[in-house]
Amino acid sequence: DTAVSQTPKYLVTQMGNDKSIKCEQNLGHDTMYWYKQDSKKFLKIMFSYNNKELIINETVPNRFSPKSPDKAHLNLHINSLELGDSAVYFCASSDRGLTEKLFFGSGTQLSVL
Amino acid sequence: GDSVTQMEGPVTLSEEAFLTINCTYTATGYPSLFWYVQYPGEGLQLLLKATKADDKGSNKGFEATYRKETTSFHLEKGSVQVSDSAVYFCALGIIQGAQKLVFGQGTRLTINP
Repeated sequence: DTAVSQTPKYLVTQMGNDKSIKCEQNLGHDTMYWYKQDSKKFLKIMFSYNNKELIINETVPNRFSPKSPDKAHLNLHINSLELGDSAVYFCASSDRGLTEKLFFGSGTQLSVL
Repeated sequence: GDSVTQMEGPVTLSEEAFLTINCTYTATGYPSLFWYVQYPGEGLQLLLKATKADDKGSNKGFEATYRKETTSFHLEKGSVQVSDSAVYFCALGIIQGAQKLVFGQGTRLTINP
């Protein structure tokens, strides 16, 4: 069983569209994250939720809105997609947010045309 | 701000060669340091970690020592295998409500038989 699963794996869409990426973890962790990997392969944190509460919110355009319906899920909704949003988005989870070990999903490659 | 710089890839070696991937960091406090590995088609996995100066992290034959004086955390392995082919990410971890990881840009390693 996949510990952290995100869907879809690939997402190709037009500029201006709204899209969502879903993430689920079956590890029983309290904390979940979204990271963005840009074209130069840098991974940067976007958001973190602990027990459905937002605790880290980096400087991200407000077109990006995370939603956590329960502690096992953290979805990422993106409005009015722009070319610069093209990247690989990784979901991750950790136990209570204070452990060093993050468990990552395999990524969603978003291409905005 | 906090940042991580690691050796640019790609790195290509023959099996049984000695591996070093350089990593240096800039941080205001005393972060924990990590190496994560991403095998093809998978999410990132924690490879090893060190939480304070002079600590040595090790796993699967890989080692890295937390050097505060040189702000470095270089990854080494004495004899690499084809199965070590992956992308390696150096990261520092700080607590900001949750565990926040700041990653380097990743180094792609290819081992030829």
